[in-house]
Formats: sequence, C-alpha cells, structure tokens
Amino acid sequence: AAGVIQSPRHLIKEKRETATLKCYPIPRHDTVYWYQQGPGQDPQFLISFYEKMQSDKGSIPDRFSAQQFSDYHSELNMSSLELGDSALYFCASSPRAGGYTDTQYFGPGTRLTVL
Amino acid sequence: AQSVAQPEDQVNVAEGNPLTVKCTYSVSGNPYLFWYVQYPNRGLQFLLKYITGDNLVKGSYGFEAEFNKSQTSFHLKKPSALVSDSALYFCAVILHDYGQNFVFGPGTRLSVLP
Repeated sequence: AAGVIQSPRHLIKEKRETATLKCYPIPRHDTVYWYQQGPGQDPQFLISFYEKMQSDKGSIPDRFSAQQFSDYHSELNMSSLELGDSALYFCASSPRAGGYTDTQYFGPGTRLTVL
Repeated sequence: AQSVAQPEDQVNVAEGNPLTVKCTYSVSGNPYLFWYVQYPNRGLQFLLKYITGDNLVKGSYGFEAEFNKSQTSFHLKKPSALVSDSALYFCAVILHDYGQNFVFGPGTRLSVLP
C-alpha cells in the first residue's frame, strides 16, 4: 500500500541557511500535518492543512512557513536556520472525511542537521 | 491543562511474558486516543485507536489497549512479548476542541529481552 513520502530523508545545512522539506500524502488523503521531533523528545505539532488551506497551527516558529499545493503535497520552508532546528521532521496525512477520529499516517521523516 | 502522560520512561520485559505500557490522559470532553510505535530512524507506525464503543481495542501486531474512563487510562498490552517489539511507544490524544492535531505523550522505550 502507498505510504506518505518525504524528501529528502536527510539534510545538512549551515546556520542562517534555508531548507525546504517536501511531503507527498497517501493518495486521496486531503489533510497534511507537520511535526517536529527533537532528540529524545516526543513529536510536537507544527501546522496542518486541509484542502490547501491552513487548518491548525501549533508551535511553528515565524521563520518557518508551509503550504499545501493543488496535488495535496505540502512543503515546509525553513529560513534563518538555527542549531536548535536540528530535529526529525515528520509529515502525516489523513482523509478528512473521517473527521477528527481518523488515523494519521506518518512518513519516515526528514532528519535535518544544522551545523 | 490537557495532557498525555506515560509514567515510565523504560519498560523491560522478558520474551514470552505479557507486556504493559501505561498511558494516562487529562483532557476535557471525550478523548480520542491512539498508540503509535517508532523504530530507530523510522517514522511512527499506527497500532490502534479508541474513539468510542468497546473499551478493549485490538490493533496491529497482537497489541491491544483498554480504555478506562474512571482511571483516565489507555494502557497498551500484549499477551506475549517478542524481541522485535522493542521500540519507542507513544500514546497520543486528539484535542478535538482545538483541532485535529495530536498531542503526544513523552514516549516509553520498551526493551524485550531474549
């Protein structure tokens, strides 16, 4: 079965650089979520999109932005990178038709290292 | 404050023995509760969820969880542990009054010893 695809899987950047993470949801899933998992921590919700519109916003820094495109894939843009941004970034998708109870399916994550 | 707690950072169990990974929650309204497992350098894999109905929920890989409203708990269980069950387990709740995103517990590392 198709799963959530994230690219790249690994990314190394210098401080103050920018990074773009991509997420391709499971086919027919119209809702995408972004989470950040720091070393030894639980995933923290950043932002979500439903039908290309931002639906919820969590602890996403102002330096970060995201959007969902017409094909439902999403991109997380990160600027002025800081050492503390080093983390595993997960994307998850779900079919909104299921409402709040629907399971979120996670991608393998992008490991971002900021040097 | 609404939260999810996993009181044990680490659980060790011998292969073949039953295992329990604990989760308690503090949310207003009816909770929607989930269990996910994370293997090293991998994404989160869905195990099971409780939305409504039967308090005993059966999920993937032989896992089950029991929703206990009076104790505000949703403990994950398996009758006979396998070495391959060793991983990081996260309990999560959807705060439906605030959106659809998960709030995760801190995680419990399960080690199944051969």
